[in-house]
Amino acid sequence: EAGVTQFPSHSVIEKGQTVTLRCDPISGHDNLYWYRRVMGKEIKFLLHFVKESKQDESGMPNNRFLAERTGGTYSTLKVQPAELEDSGVYFCASSRRSGRGSYNEQFFGPGTRLTVL
Amino acid sequence: SQQGEEDPQALSIQEGENATMNCSYKTSINNLQWYRQNSGRGLVHLILIRSNEREKHSGRLRVTLDTSKKSSSLLITASRAADTASYFCATDVRGQGGSEKLVFGKGTKLTVNP
Repeated sequence: EAGVTQFPSHSVIEKGQTVTLRCDPISGHDNLYWYRRVMGKEIKFLLHFVKESKQDESGMPNNRFLAERTGGTYSTLKVQPAELEDSGVYFCASSRRSGRGSYNEQFFGPGTRLTVL
Repeated sequence: SQQGEEDPQALSIQEGENATMNCSYKTSINNLQWYRQNSGRGLVHLILIRSNEREKHSGRLRVTLDTSKKSSSLLITASRAADTASYFCATDVRGQGGSEKLVFGKGTKLTVNP
């Protein structure tokens, strides 16, 4: 079974430019999450999709960030325009649909390291 | 509020020694998990301990959970150079719409010297 994949692995852009990160979850996983780790800080939740629907986007920092999951398969996270403080590692994770009272492990991708100059 | 604060922030030991990392959290939990991140790699799930469990073992890993103190510890025995990585604890929290999201601490950077 292929794991969660993310593209690109590393992106270097200038302030004001646009960047789009992609995540391909494990096949059959309805849940898809985005997290990010800004330098020296903890890994923080950004948002959660169940299939193509945004279940929780409470962690999105501001309206410069736009996440989509067309067709409930892969997801993209666009940052437009990028700012210096957006630099960090963006992780994607996926899990099976949770049954009531149960917990399904989130499988993480390798992350995309974003550097905004 | 921030959950899962690990200490120490950095730990350097010799191969063969044991490494202990601690994690504290602020709110009640269902589960607590430990993850490892090797440099340039993704997060790897190590072990999950439920709120009604006190101790769990997996190979050279031993995790304890004290819900009265809201703390957990991860012990790696007989460490190897390959254990060099950052270790994070995470708690799952119910978010909007019943979403299960993970709340991580800042992590402990472990270096095992050969």
